[in-house]
Amino acid sequence: AQKVTQAQTEISVVEKEDVTLDCVYETRDTTYYLFWYKQPPSGELVFLIRRNSFDEQNEISGRYSWNFQKSTSSFNFTITASQVVDSAVYFCALRSVRDDKIIFGKGTRLHILP
Amino acid sequence: KAGVTQTPRYLIKTRGQQVTLSCSPISGHRSVSWYQQTPGQGLQFLFEYFSETQRNKGNFPGRFSGRQFSNSRSEMNVSTLELGDSALYLCASSLDSGKLDEQYFGPGTRLTVT
Repeated sequence: AQKVTQAQTEISVVEKEDVTLDCVYETRDTTYYLFWYKQPPSGELVFLIRRNSFDEQNEISGRYSWNFQKSTSSFNFTITASQVVDSAVYFCALRSVRDDKIIFGKGTRLHILP
Repeated sequence: KAGVTQTPRYLIKTRGQQVTLSCSPISGHRSVSWYQQTPGQGLQFLFEYFSETQRNKGNFPGRFSGRQFSNSRSEMNVSTLELGDSALYLCASSLDSGKLDEQYFGPGTRLTVT
């Protein structure tokens, strides 16, 4: 069975601190995609990044960076120099190419305190 | 261009009733997906429609159904409502089917079943 675990249900950090959101996944498939989404208070999910199972190259995009490690089945997301506008719920998700269904983690609610 | 719109934004229904939610995708988008978000179960994929055909379906009972019209607008129907159907229902559209990283989400319809 496929599973996505976001162990951190809620995190609070002071503005300008760095914060890492953890994501651990389980799948028997060899080809899959991993995603991070952001859900601000308005409710609309916003796509942040996609990684496929063959691409372990980590990426930095502005203040965001991602660490994908197949050996530990983890796909962590880091915000550096956090800002109040980063406050949101962040979801990690897994999609198997085999059945094309997407599984979401329960989300991590991030509070950036001014 | 206009984003994904969902109507109504809020809805209160009584157990046993049925409900229809509507989603208008971004102009030119042919794929529409539906998701249910609850505090207990989190974010779950309901189904995806592409060119008026259901392309994929999550693990939900037959009470949950949908359809897509020739203009790509989609409706989701839930019959014989249960208290557990209270949730935020999110709709997302994309140009093509299966393009989860290119989905744009609407603000959702919050359904309360009493």
